Amino acid sequence: GENVEQHPSTLSVQEGDSAVIKCTYSDSASNYFPWYKQELGKRPQLIIDIRSNVGEKKDQRIAVTLNKTAKHFSLHITETQPEDSAVYFCAASIIQGAQKLVFGQGTRLTINP
Amino acid sequence: EAQVTQNPRYLITVTGKKLTVTCSQNMNHEYMSWYRQDPGLGLRQIYYSMNVEVTDKGDVPEGYKVSRKEKRNFPLILESPSPNQTSLYFCASSFDRAGANVLTFGAGSRLTVL
Repeated sequence: GENVEQHPSTLSVQEGDSAVIKCTYSDSASNYFPWYKQELGKRPQLIIDIRSNVGEKKDQRIAVTLNKTAKHFSLHITETQPEDSAVYFCAASIIQGAQKLVFGQGTRLTINP
Repeated sequence: EAQVTQNPRYLITVTGKKLTVTCSQNMNHEYMSWYRQDPGLGLRQIYYSMNVEVTDKGDVPEGYKVSRKEKRNFPLILESPSPNQTSLYFCASSFDRAGANVLTFGAGSRLTVL
């Protein structure tokens, strides 16, 4: 089955700097890669996703890149702000099946003022 | 308001005392799932259901049971809880069709087994 590895487990950056979180996956059939954000004490919520037919997707300060050949994808946050502090989870699945969504271990991102 | 509702939100129990965590969604989602969240391990799937009376094991099903008698409800049952089931549990749901499988999570249930 699918296995998703996420790095780093913790990340601390200065406010205004950029943050990058990386994930690798094992199943070449996976073609849907969402990112979920979990603020302290809250539920995970989708912030961005990418499908395998594109290499990059942007939404304001957030971008995700995908390298299908190398089987890795990354989340990029630019101009970080205190409200970006949270745990971020990557995941991978075959697009037709939410049941096949496998999550990474999570990255705790801390934005220092 | 579209939502997934879990109860209880917090529970402390003792080893061996059966408990049920309820989950209900009002979005007419076909797919529902239970995850447990443990530090350093991310979100691991316990069980999932594709529709009424259709359930299947996830990655960590040992010690848990589920049922799906109605489309909106998907309770998680711990028949004989043990301390290693102390965790934060999330129920989630989504539509089950291509391009519409964004998960909506419940608020979480923090379970402590003594």
